[in-house]
Amino acid sequence: DGGITQSPKYLFRKEGQNVTLSCEQNLNHDAMYWYRQDPGQGLRLIYYSQIVNDFQKGDIAEGYSVSREKKESFPLTVTSAQKNPTAFYLCASSIGGATDTQYFGPGTRLTVL
Amino acid sequence: GENVEQHPSTLSVQEGDSAVIKCTYSDSASNYFPWYKQELGKGPQLIIDIRSNVGEKKDQRIAVTLNKTAKHFSLHITETQPEDSAVYFCAASFTGGGNKLTFGTGTQLKVEL
Repeated sequence: DGGITQSPKYLFRKEGQNVTLSCEQNLNHDAMYWYRQDPGQGLRLIYYSQIVNDFQKGDIAEGYSVSREKKESFPLTVTSAQKNPTAFYLCASSIGGATDTQYFGPGTRLTVL
Repeated sequence: GENVEQHPSTLSVQEGDSAVIKCTYSDSASNYFPWYKQELGKGPQLIIDIRSNVGEKKDQRIAVTLNKTAKHFSLHITETQPEDSAVYFCAASFTGGGNKLTFGTGTQLKVEL
């Protein structure tokens, strides 16, 4: 099966702990993205990567970090500096350009207790 | 930066009726406009998209129209069915915009029997 996988589906962490969300794709896409979704709001871009070993901040990057060591993988770390980390996190990928279709994974719901 | 406004935030229709969701965008350089459907607890799925060189696009019961002069685009669903109930998001991006899709805040569509 081709697609984007995110794990785990649900994640619970204590306040003050860093946590890493996984995103893997086997679509051979160059670009990958992380979005945050809160109730009643649209998707907000956290980070994106257009190519391996390169990534850029999105609109709400504070308190998050990413890496892109492999084309297939784009993990997101939610650090203790993120003031309100409880949210639904979505990973997406596209062939590469701004006007290429973005395909989304199933999401990870993070709850910080 | 780009700003996308989406209306209405909630929409209830009777099964078989049509549903229309409207979005406006701020950046006249935007040239790609996808629509996503998101079911509860899942990632968004692309249902249709339109590019700025086209005024209308149809796919079975779904159509999207684009008015570049007025900077707005709309999603039309005809003969609605209960399985159309979901949250719908519009988005906009433009070449040179840093691979960034800007999303609307979503419309919760409920199709009632």
